[in-house]
Amino acid sequence: KAGVTQTPRYLIKTRGQQVTLSCSPISGHRSVSWYQQTPGQGLQFLFEYFSETQRNKGNFPGRFSGRQFSNSRSEMNVSTLELGDSALYLCASSSNRLVADTQYFGPGTRLTVL
Amino acid sequence: GDSVTQMEGPVTLSEEAFLTINCTYTATGYPSLFWYVQYPGEGLQLLLKATKADDKGSNKGFEATYRKETTSFHLEKGSVQVSDSAVYFCALSEETSGSRLTFGEGTQLTVNP
Repeated sequence: KAGVTQTPRYLIKTRGQQVTLSCSPISGHRSVSWYQQTPGQGLQFLFEYFSETQRNKGNFPGRFSGRQFSNSRSEMNVSTLELGDSALYLCASSSNRLVADTQYFGPGTRLTVL
Repeated sequence: GDSVTQMEGPVTLSEEAFLTINCTYTATGYPSLFWYVQYPGEGLQLLLKATKADDKGSNKGFEATYRKETTSFHLEKGSVQVSDSAVYFCALSEETSGSRLTFGEGTQLTVNP
C-alpha cells in the first residue's frame, strides 16, 4: 500500500506570494490533517478534513486555508507569505473509523520564504 | 487546553545504554497517548500507542505505560542502538478532537557507537 505523498517536497517563495501544497492520503483514508513544524514552535496543528469537511482547526490566521476533494486528496494554501511561515508542513492521514486510529505522516513539504 | 511536556534534550547515550524519555500530559478528558519518531529528512512514524490507563504500548524494543495517576507516558528502551538516533515526540489525542494530535517539544536522541 502506498504511503502518504506530499508535493512538492521543497519550495522557495518570497514574501507576499501565495503557495499551495498538496497531500495524497493512503488509499481508503478519509481523514487528512496538516501540521506546521518549526524549530521554535515545534509541531502545531493547522486543520483536519474528513469527507471534504473541515472538522477541526488550530490557532492559525486566516491566511492558512485548506480543502479536501472527493478522492480525499487535500490541499493547503497560504496567502501573503511571511518570513515566519518558513517551516516543514506535514500531512497525515487516517481511516478514522476508530478512536485513536494510527495517523500516517507524509515526508513533508519544506517551505522557505525569502 | 491539552498540553504535552517532554524532558529537555538533547540526549546523548552510548550504544547498549538504557533510555528513558519522560513525558507528562494535561488533558480535559481521557486521551490516547502516542510516541512518534522522526528520522533526519523524514516525516513522523508512529512508534507505539496506548489508549487507556495502564495500557502498555511496545514496538522495536521500546515501551511506554499509560499512567493516569501521574499523567505520564515515559518512553523506555533497555539497550539503544546507533540506528535509534532520531527525534522522539510524545503526543496525545482526545476523543472529542477528531484526529488532532497535540505534540510535545520533541527530544533529540543521539546514540554513539
